[in-house]
Amino acid sequence: GAGVSQSPRYKVAKRGQDVALRCDPISGHVSLFWYQQALGQGPEFLTYFQNEAQLDKSGLPSDRFFAERPEGSVSTLKIQRTQQEDSAVYLCASSLVGRTANTEAFFGQGTRLTVV
Amino acid sequence: QQQVKQSPQSLIVQKGGISIINCAYENTAFDYFPWYQQFPGKGPALLIAIRPDVSEKKEGRFTISFNKSAKQFSLHIMDSQPGDSATYFCAAVSSYKLIFGSGTRLLVRP
Repeated sequence: GAGVSQSPRYKVAKRGQDVALRCDPISGHVSLFWYQQALGQGPEFLTYFQNEAQLDKSGLPSDRFFAERPEGSVSTLKIQRTQQEDSAVYLCASSLVGRTANTEAFFGQGTRLTVV
Repeated sequence: QQQVKQSPQSLIVQKGGISIINCAYENTAFDYFPWYQQFPGKGPALLIAIRPDVSEKKEGRFTISFNKSAKQFSLHIMDSQPGDSATYFCAAVSSYKLIFGSGTRLLVRP
């Protein structure tokens, strides 16, 4: 596909369960971002990869959140021992180069996580 | 800490009217100011963007006005159409990180 693909689109998890969210960026895009969007709010930065290197993980809310991009393409956001406050839409974005000011970041449709 | 403040939270405009959304920022290190449009169930999509050395940018019915000294910028949607009904986010960028405003839900009545 031509765009950023995320799966699953929807995930319902029981509190305490581990979840893994997948992002397939646009082919050839060097930069990959994860954002968290709470209901009725703007997206908030979680983490940034340049190829396989995680250059910034300052937005990850706790050590229960872990992201990886081992081969510099597909990325997985893992949340361990999910809590109700983790319920949100998780957005993935990719861009051709690192500086967002020079190139557009394309967003996927997101994964809506509901923790019950 | 809310680095980008956006208003109003919601906006109702008649078809053909002008929609105006305002944003203010604090960090003078921001060097790129995009606006995103988001439809329900979709990810944000870039609408238009401006750099701080430009005071205005127009693309079709969409115009960004930028006031560097006041650290404010706004989106004007001319001749608003029902298909413009969506949530709009302003954002500011320093290096690679997008800092979003809280969003404005726009409804354009036929």
